[in-house]
Amino acid sequence: DIVMTQSPDSLAVSLGERATINCKSSQSILYNSNNKNYLAWYQQKPGQPPKLLIYWASTRESGVPDRFSGSGSGTDFSLTISSLQAEDVAVYYCQQYYSSPHTFGQGTKLESK
Amino acid sequence: EVQVVESGGGLVQPGGSLRLACEVSGFTCSNYWMHWVRQVPGKGLVWVSRINSDGSSTNYADSVKGRFTISRDNGKSTLYLQMNSLRAEDTAVYYCATGRGTYISSWFDCWGQGTLVTVSS
Repeated sequence: DIVMTQSPDSLAVSLGERATINCKSSQSILYNSNNKNYLAWYQQKPGQPPKLLIYWASTRESGVPDRFSGSGSGTDFSLTISSLQAEDVAVYYCQQYYSSPHTFGQGTKLESK
Repeated sequence: EVQVVESGGGLVQPGGSLRLACEVSGFTCSNYWMHWVRQVPGKGLVWVSRINSDGSSTNYADSVKGRFTISRDNGKSTLYLQMNSLRAEDTAVYYCATGRGTYISSWFDCWGQGTLVTVSS
């Protein structure tokens, strides 16, 4: 199974500041035939299900604010929130869909400072 | 409005069975392949099972293989998870999620609110 490791486990950022969450896969999740990275990002607020933010490592889901962006390739990826808003406080997960079983990172708890 | 609504969770003794259901309505979410994902309260997300559009292909996590069965009734727009021989470690919130991408490579675009399964004597 591909192991997804996020860092840090928790992060406190001031409102209006940039927040960056990292995700590393135990093997490359770049599919060479289509040059796509098989990685998604989700946001989960307390008591709610996860919400899809980004897929193909950098494609924002419809309706997701443009302050959220994804980057990276191969084994190293990042989710960046350019200017933290109060409603962004949540746990964030990365997920690989390159191979089965699809696996998630352990989550990063983002708080406001 | 898109809705994904799970039901069927509850308290069950070890070795017991439960059947979860998930009804999908609306058209924004892809609903060709469907998944179950579980989450121990306060912990991370774990993929459990998937099924293709007509129910002819299914896959399971090793931890539930041989004990859980995923199925669907497209006429009722409903997904099921039959869970047998339940263990304490199956205790979790079970989410139904729609998959986008391909059957074998999906991200999850719509999620239900989840249903809690507690396995305890």
